[in-house]
Amino acid sequence: DAKTTQPPSMDCAEGRAANLPCNHSTISGNEYVYWYRQIHSQGPQYIIHGLKNNETNEMASLIITEDRKSSTLILPHATLRDTAVYYCIVRVPGGGADGLTFGKGTHLIIQP
Amino acid sequence: EAGVVQSPRYKIIEKKQPVAFWCNPISGHNTLYWYLQNLGQGPELLIRYENEEAVDDSQLPKDRFSAERLKGVDSTLKIQPAELGDSAVYLCASSLDTAASTDTQYFGPGTRLTVL
Repeated sequence: DAKTTQPPSMDCAEGRAANLPCNHSTISGNEYVYWYRQIHSQGPQYIIHGLKNNETNEMASLIITEDRKSSTLILPHATLRDTAVYYCIVRVPGGGADGLTFGKGTHLIIQP
Repeated sequence: EAGVVQSPRYKIIEKKQPVAFWCNPISGHNTLYWYLQNLGQGPELLIRYENEEAVDDSQLPKDRFSAERLKGVDSTLKIQPAELGDSAVYLCASSLDTAASTDTQYFGPGTRLTVL
């Protein structure tokens, strides 16, 4: 899997949009961008994934640049419960079903 | 629908003692994963099962770690004997299968192991 680069930490005010960047400059054509988050003392939780088009679900939006070398996860109205470590992962879905390769992620802290 | 269940949530043992962790995946999920998470790091894959078959155990330290998934449902991860460096969180995850559209992994809460 291609490697990703994320800032180690970010702050965001409650109620504002949280924008989490991820660089994946060596991503391959068949690799998707996945986002997971891990709230303290819990297991990682799937958020969203995409190939090249922007994606949105009930949790977040994913914006992937046209060259696919970077992406941004957007939490539109952050709440205190969104405080967590967010992991950006690139992988081929179903590609041998390899385990997820996690980096250190971004520790997002939502400030009241 | 119940999520991935793990027990115990916490375990404290002395070094050289054996320890076992149990995981019950989401009902109907054929693929099961065990991950290790050290403090401040992301999870790392230890072993993956397709039904009852271990199809990727290349990262499992086989001298002291073992795992089984009898009948292709529940799974147990064992360490014998435990070492100080084994202190970590052990996470279990499951996915419906490994097809591109259904391989999203769902994680349990983990077992936090402390070896004294």
